[in-house]
Amino acid sequence: DGGITQSPKYLFRKEGQNVTLSCEQNLNHDAMYWYRQDPGQGLRLIYYSQIVNDFQKGDIAEGYSVSREKKESFPLTVTSAQKNPTAFYLCASKVQGAKDEQFFGPGTRLTVL
Amino acid sequence: RKEVEQDPGPFNVPEGATVAFNCTYSNSASQSFFWYRQDCRKEPKLLMSVYSSGNEDGRFTAQLNRASQYISLLIRDSKLSDSATYLCVVNSLRAAGNKLTFGGGTRVLVKP
Repeated sequence: DGGITQSPKYLFRKEGQNVTLSCEQNLNHDAMYWYRQDPGQGLRLIYYSQIVNDFQKGDIAEGYSVSREKKESFPLTVTSAQKNPTAFYLCASKVQGAKDEQFFGPGTRLTVL
Repeated sequence: RKEVEQDPGPFNVPEGATVAFNCTYSNSASQSFFWYRQDCRKEPKLLMSVYSSGNEDGRFTAQLNRASQYISLLIRDSKLSDSATYLCVVNSLRAAGNKLTFGGGTRVLVKP
């Protein structure tokens, strides 16, 4: 089955710790994205990558970092510099092209204790 | 002004009724448009793309009005299972490539 997987589903972190969220896709999509969603809010773009070994900052990149060493994988690190990291994190991927929709993973719910 | 704006609702809809809501966008160069459905604590899933001529998928009808820069979604014969948040998504071409911008979502509650 093709799709996007994210792990873990729930993650608890102590303040001051870095944590890495996993995102893997086997859809052969070139572009991958990370979003953050807060309760009752829409999705905000953190980082995106159009091709391997290249990525760009989204609207709220501060306190986050990413890598794109493989086409299938786009991990997101939430660093201690992120002031309010508790949120629902969604990874997505799509084929390049304006009319193609994004496909989302099931999300990781991060809670900072 | 936000790039993509939606009425957050909630729209309280009697079962069997029709509900419609809009989404406005500010970038006149926007190229493609989508409606996603998101259930509570789940990921968004594509409901339908929005084509220039308007399109229909069962009980759902989407329309695009480029002159006034909005898209709409109409749900006929509402079912209890239609209760969800509906996200408007707009794809715009930027210097760094295509960018999808999400609206804040419109919450729909269908009641018996």
